[in-house]
Amino acid sequence: QKEVEQNSGPLSVPEGAIASLNCTYSDRGSQSFFWYRQYSGKSPELIMFIYSNGDKEDGRFTAQLNKASQYVSLLIRDSQPSDSATYLCAVTIPPYAGGTSYGKLTFGQGTILTVHP
Amino acid sequence: KAGVTQTPRYLIKTRGQQVTLSCSPISGHRSVSWYQQTPGQGLQFLFEYFSETQRNKGNFPGRFSGRQFSNSRSEMNVSTLELGDSALYLCASSLDGGTRGYTFGSGTRLTVV
Repeated sequence: QKEVEQNSGPLSVPEGAIASLNCTYSDRGSQSFFWYRQYSGKSPELIMFIYSNGDKEDGRFTAQLNKASQYVSLLIRDSQPSDSATYLCAVTIPPYAGGTSYGKLTFGQGTILTVHP
Repeated sequence: KAGVTQTPRYLIKTRGQQVTLSCSPISGHRSVSWYQQTPGQGLQFLFEYFSETQRNKGNFPGRFSGRQFSNSRSEMNVSTLELGDSALYLCASSLDGGTRGYTFGSGTRLTVV
């Protein structure tokens, strides 16, 4: 089982619709959760982070975290063609005996989102 | 405020050679992490430095090494290059050790031929 899994996609939605991106993680001790957006040929860009159960909203983006279900999602409202990109879910997994978690984000494989006019 | 700067942007090297990549973090950021990104494996953590000390290391062979200088700039070195080392190498910096996420540089695209 992968540590962080995302819905495989690709996901295609019409302009103006809600895009829903999902991510599950295997380690119950995971503490911090991040969504990055990566345009083709570019580096990842942080969209949102969330630590606590519930919803966190920032403009058209809403992150949802459910630690009991080990599930984090990203909703993009009023999707625009400029939202077309690969969305990466990243998790901070606690260290195992003798290890550390400093600086390490564990990423999912990403979901390609296409918003068509 | 300048972002994370990585140099060079592109590199072509021959198998067996070594390469050094450079990363200048955002001013004031003391934590620098390195990642390798490939189509097959995605983003994989290499190592993290804070105040010139390596605090964490991923599951990469010893050919991959790094260091951080007193001004927080970091370098990554890969020795005895293999074809499989062809990848996008990304550096990311954080003010507070990543609690609010990391800011990535534009990356160095390494091609080993």
